Amino acid sequence: AQSVTQLDSQVPVFEEAPVELRCNYSSSVSVYLFWYVQYPNQGLQLLLKYLSGSTLVKGINGFEAEFNKSQTSFHLRKPSVHISDTAEYFCAVITETGGFKTIFGAGTRLFVKA
Amino acid sequence: DAGVIQSPRHEVTEMGQEVTLRCKPISGHDYLFWYRQTMMRGLELLIYFNNNVPIDDSGMPEDRFSAKMPNASFSTLKIQPSEPRDSAVYFCASSLAGGPADTQYFGPGTRLTVL
Repeated sequence: AQSVTQLDSQVPVFEEAPVELRCNYSSSVSVYLFWYVQYPNQGLQLLLKYLSGSTLVKGINGFEAEFNKSQTSFHLRKPSVHISDTAEYFCAVITETGGFKTIFGAGTRLFVKA
Repeated sequence: DAGVIQSPRHEVTEMGQEVTLRCKPISGHDYLFWYRQTMMRGLELLIYFNNNVPIDDSGMPEDRFSAKMPNASFSTLKIQPSEPRDSAVYFCASSLAGGPADTQYFGPGTRLTVL
């Protein structure tokens, strides 16, 4: 069965510093990978997704992620964060054998400090 | 478009009462999903519909939970009777189609507290 592990539950970082949120998945079949952001008291919003092709995926708000098949990872990065990036970030996976159901990681709380 | 609409935004009820959560998907979207978010279990898919038909309800925790989609613009998630462990945020999401290329759009959620 597929699973998603987000290695950090909380990541504090200063404004304008770079950040990386880590995500590993386990699956023996082809996967589709996603990052979502959840701002306080709101639903999830898609940041970016990897379906196929280039392993470097660019998303909204200056975020990008790189698919690494050999390390089964899909880490999210941003070169310079803003206070407004403070939110919960979820990594997610869909596999064809999972009936296209989305499996979410536990989430990483990004806290940007001034 | 107004996006996915959920009501109520907050619900406080007592154990044993019936609770009904409502969702209006984005117009034209063929898929509707119900998720539950808790601190202990994270975000879990409960059930999803395609063209108003339930496709997979394997995530529904027990018989106290039921979901319906009587038409393309409305779905309900009902808990009867409710228990304190049902306290969570319940999200509804919709997508144009069901494949991984199709973005799911989430509603703002309903925060349920069962006393």
